[in-house]
Amino acid sequence: NAGVMQNPRHLVRRRGQEARLRCSPMKGHSHVYWYRQLPEEGLKFMVYLQKENIIDESGMPKERFSAEFPKEGPSILRIQQVVRGDSAAYFCASSPPAGGFEAFFGQGTRLTVV
Amino acid sequence: DAKTTQPPSMDCAEGRAANLPCNHSTISGNEYVYWYRQIHSQGPQYIIHGLKNNETNEMASLIITEDRKSSTLILPHATLRDTAVYYCIVRVGYGGTASKLTFGTGTRLQVTL
Repeated sequence: NAGVMQNPRHLVRRRGQEARLRCSPMKGHSHVYWYRQLPEEGLKFMVYLQKENIIDESGMPKERFSAEFPKEGPSILRIQQVVRGDSAAYFCASSPPAGGFEAFFGQGTRLTVV
Repeated sequence: DAKTTQPPSMDCAEGRAANLPCNHSTISGNEYVYWYRQIHSQGPQYIIHGLKNNETNEMASLIITEDRKSSTLILPHATLRDTAVYYCIVRVGYGGTASKLTFGTGTRLQVTL
């Protein structure tokens, strides 16, 4: 059973470009969470999604950031018009349909904006 | 979510027990104590959780005080591979929102030879 898969592992974007980060949850999991970790800081919750629904986006910046988890395919975190301050590690986690105590994290995507 | 307080760093000799404390004096009755760790910028890894009873699994033991205002994570025989940042998180348990986690700054555990 493969774990949570994130790709790409590393992404370099120039200022003003778009970044798309993908997350495939563990098999059978229908809850996906995105977190951001700035250098030398702890992880910050961004958004919680279930299939085709955003449940909680209280941690998402109001502009340029969006997330989706379609019926088919991976969850996508999209950052438009990236700026240097978006440089961070973005982690995705998943949990089973009934929730559960343990969140399973992917290895993250490291975004560098140049 | 209840706020947690952890020491910023700790050292432990390899083979010894590592005892990582956490204060959560404002914890509510329905909130669980979770521990995760992050090894060198990898994705966080779940370690253990508990409500009020002490818990043990293959990775660690969790000791929760009777008043639930503090807890200790115990790694019984620390190895170099246990060097990581350890996060104590208090959260309502179970259900989808249980995995909406609030990470503080954690304790950086350095295991040495």
